Amino acid sequence: EVQLVESGGGLVQPGGSLRLSCAASGFTFRNFWMTWVRQTPGEGLEFVANINEDGSQKYYVDSVKGRFTISRDNAKNSLYLQMDSLRVEDTAVYYCVRDVGYQDYDAWGQGTQVTVSS
Amino acid sequence: DVVMTQSPLSLPVTLGQPASISCRSSQSLVHSNGNTYLYWFQKRPGQSPRRLIYRVSNRDSGVPDRFSGSGSGTDFTLKISRVEAEDVGIYYCLQGTHWPTFGGGTKVEIK
Repeated sequence: EVQLVESGGGLVQPGGSLRLSCAASGFTFRNFWMTWVRQTPGEGLEFVANINEDGSQKYYVDSVKGRFTISRDNAKNSLYLQMDSLRVEDTAVYYCVRDVGYQDYDAWGQGTQVTVSS
Repeated sequence: DVVMTQSPLSLPVTLGQPASISCRSSQSLVHSNGNTYLYWFQKRPGQSPRRLIYRVSNRDSGVPDRFSGSGSGTDFTLKISRVEAEDVGIYYCLQGTHWPTFGGGTKVEIK
């Protein structure tokens, strides 16, 4: 069974940093693109970043470029999202998602809450 | 970016009655390879999103056959033939043909 388990969320002040992790199991992690998707308090879903199988290609939504960094460790079956210079508008539940091709998100983690507030 | 417009925003439905959600894109979702990368997701309260339909009309395994997807080009529809209590939640469309964008969501509730 495919499992994705996020961790690392929490409450942080504006300008602060957090590192999200996602532990993957039940499939051959190194064979898949992986994505971070967030759900804002208004309930909208938004693509944040994705990374290809070997980590050589990374893409970000404009609003996080230069502040967030996606990475992976295939030896540890893990996906990461380093979030720096956090803003109030980054407050959301962040989901780790498996992409089986062309943004086909067939498996989602349970999500981790990130709250940016003073 | 491609804008995905869902309607209605809110959909109160009587149990056992049909429901229909529209998703319109600002550009054609037909990829140069001929495929259309349009997906539907369900988010129940307190749960993660779950894919229901992939590539317009293919139902995921385990998804009840009362759910169906249809459409082409820029106009897509998710239908529930007979709404059940467990169908309460927010439904989202997503296009993967271009830079990925989600629809704003449609909240399905029981009247």
